[in-house]
Amino acid sequence: EAQVTQNPRYLITVTGKKLTVTCSQNMNHEYMSWYRQDPGLGLRQIYYSMNVEVTDKGDVPEGYKVSRKEKRNFPLILESPSPNQTSLYFCASSLIAGELFFGEGSRLTVL
Amino acid sequence: SQQGEEDPQALSIQEGENATMNCSYKTSINNLQWYRQNSGRGLVHLILIRSNEREKHSGRLRVTLDTSKKSSSLLITASRAADTASYFCATRGNTPLVFGKGTRLSVIA
Repeated sequence: EAQVTQNPRYLITVTGKKLTVTCSQNMNHEYMSWYRQDPGLGLRQIYYSMNVEVTDKGDVPEGYKVSRKEKRNFPLILESPSPNQTSLYFCASSLIAGELFFGEGSRLTVL
Repeated sequence: SQQGEEDPQALSIQEGENATMNCSYKTSINNLQWYRQNSGRGLVHLILIRSNEREKHSGRLRVTLDTSKKSSSLLITASRAADTASYFCATRGNTPLVFGKGTRLSVIA
């Protein structure tokens, strides 16, 4: 089954404790992206990747890192999480210029 | 960055009625896409319309695109309670897909 898998789905952590949200897709998509969704602000893009070893900043990259060492994986790293990074995070993938396939989301709370 | 803006922000209708949502954007695009999101879940792609297309249909969905006005509309005909969700437009130009803030549709049985 074609899918985008994110883990963990739910996480409560404390300020400053490094965490990684994993994202994996099985559709051989070149393009992958991370979004955060906050009430009243819609979906905002954090980082995206057009292919292996190619990553670019989205609209809200501060406080986040990503890597794309393999085509199928695109982890999101929060080196030192802060409460303003409490949000619902989505990973998505697509062929270049195609429709996006979304994961089920990761709800992160930073205390 | 270019961004689709949906209108209205929220819409409440009776089952069986048609629902129309609008999207406006600011710069030239290659295509415009509509997505649906059930509460807290991942977005699901509904339909893509290219910049050289004016209208597209998929089941009970009808999308129009007016590039001169930089606007699009999504019509859901004969709505059902299961259509209750948030609907987002997303535009793709020379930059990656950018989403609007969505329209929250409530269909009352």
